[in-house]
Amino acid sequence: GNSVTQMEGPVTLSEEAFLTINCTYTATGYPSLFWYVQYPGEGLQLLLKATKADDKGSNKGFEATYRKETTSFHLEKGSVQVSDSAVYFCALSLANQAGTALIFGKGTTLSVSS
Amino acid sequence: ETGVTQTPRHLVMGMTNKKSLKCEQHLGHNAMYWYKQSAKKPLELMFVYNFKEQTENNSVPSRFSPECPNSSHLFLHLHTLQPEDSALYLCASSQEPGGVDTQYFGPGTRLTVL
Repeated sequence: GNSVTQMEGPVTLSEEAFLTINCTYTATGYPSLFWYVQYPGEGLQLLLKATKADDKGSNKGFEATYRKETTSFHLEKGSVQVSDSAVYFCALSLANQAGTALIFGKGTTLSVSS
Repeated sequence: ETGVTQTPRHLVMGMTNKKSLKCEQHLGHNAMYWYKQSAKKPLELMFVYNFKEQTENNSVPSRFSPECPNSSHLFLHLHTLQPEDSALYLCASSQEPGGVDTQYFGPGTRLTVL
């Protein structure tokens, strides 16, 4: 079946540290891949996405590259800020005739301290 | 008002109550979704609507009854719920239901079933 696996959290970092959150997927066909972020008390927001192999999504200093050979879409940021503290969700989407929806990982909580 | 709004933000109900959750999107999208977010579990898709027609029901118990009177409004009617139904219920919308369209989420309704 189709699934997304994220590294277990919580991830605790100091401000300006380098961030990596691992994400791997299993999918039939060629999915689109997404990172969503959920700040406390809010719904999910799209952070970045990639629709085909070797595409790099980027936004707000975050990056992730669609790696077909390793079925991965790891999220990285060179220097995190306290305001980046949130829950990060990796997700995939596969189109089908009945429509589609996102398949999410369990989420990784990031806590950044000053 | 822009984006996706949900009311109420918090709801406490007994197992014999009947209540409804409301979602409204101001984005002109054609597809709307209900997700359930429980602690320690991935987001679970519940229902998908496209142009007011239900296109997906992800084996959701009948005590959850969705209604989509038009492409801007989505309801989730609740009756005789169980304590394990306590969760954050998220509504989302996208331009089209398939492929790579970004889904935009509301802030959610935090439901507690006593």
